[in-house]
Amino acid sequence: QSVLTQPPSVTGAPGQRVTISCTGSRSNIGAGYDVHWYRQLPGAAPKLLIYGNHNRPSGVPDRFSGSTSDTSASLAITGLQADDEATYYCQSYDGVLTEALFGGGTKLTVL
Amino acid sequence: EVQLLESGGGLGQPGGSLRLSCAASGFSFRNHAMSWVRQAPGKGLEWVSAISGSGGSTYYRDSVKGRFTVSRDNGESELFLEMSGLRADDTAVYFCARGGDSRGWYSGWDFLDDWGQGTLVTVSS
Repeated sequence: QSVLTQPPSVTGAPGQRVTISCTGSRSNIGAGYDVHWYRQLPGAAPKLLIYGNHNRPSGVPDRFSGSTSDTSASLAITGLQADDEATYYCQSYDGVLTEALFGGGTKLTVL
Repeated sequence: EVQLLESGGGLGQPGGSLRLSCAASGFSFRNHAMSWVRQAPGKGLEWVSAISGSGGSTYYRDSVKGRFTVSRDNGESELFLEMSGLRADDTAVYFCARGGDSRGWYSGWDFLDDWGQGTLVTVSS
């Protein structure tokens, strides 16, 4: 059971918009700690997608965006493409546990 | 280009030891904290340990404290994870990852901007 809760799966059709939520608490996201997002393809290493809540590393298209609100964060993907199929993880820090945390991951399926 | 290459994984006996290495290139190694993150088969990511750029500060998750030791050789741009007292639940792919902050400090809220391909550790008799 992860401290950061993500839906196990989301589904969308090509061209659609999907959002992936990451729900925390007042000791992590709600305390103002940054949220980062990673994408992982099967058998591959995670890749940074969003850092500092809403910033995109160079090379990441603006179809990907991040936001936070209160004790939650969201990753939005617009103009869904077949190769967006992957598992997405959020990451933050918990000031009570004093350790970096990952969400349980959300598998995105593109119909 | 940043490259991180892990090695040292394999089969470990319960209660035994393994030493993982991560060879880094393409950046100023001493300027970045480094982390180890693991992923059990079919499961999500779990932060394991981290070390500051100087190597002077180390950090561990509770379940590995006293069993794992993280270290680095800045002259050789290498990161290590000495694992002892291995348990079945240590079975995972272990990734080394670079901290995004280039001042060398480790903060648990920093992002990890480059990852190695991972090395599999299997603990079984």
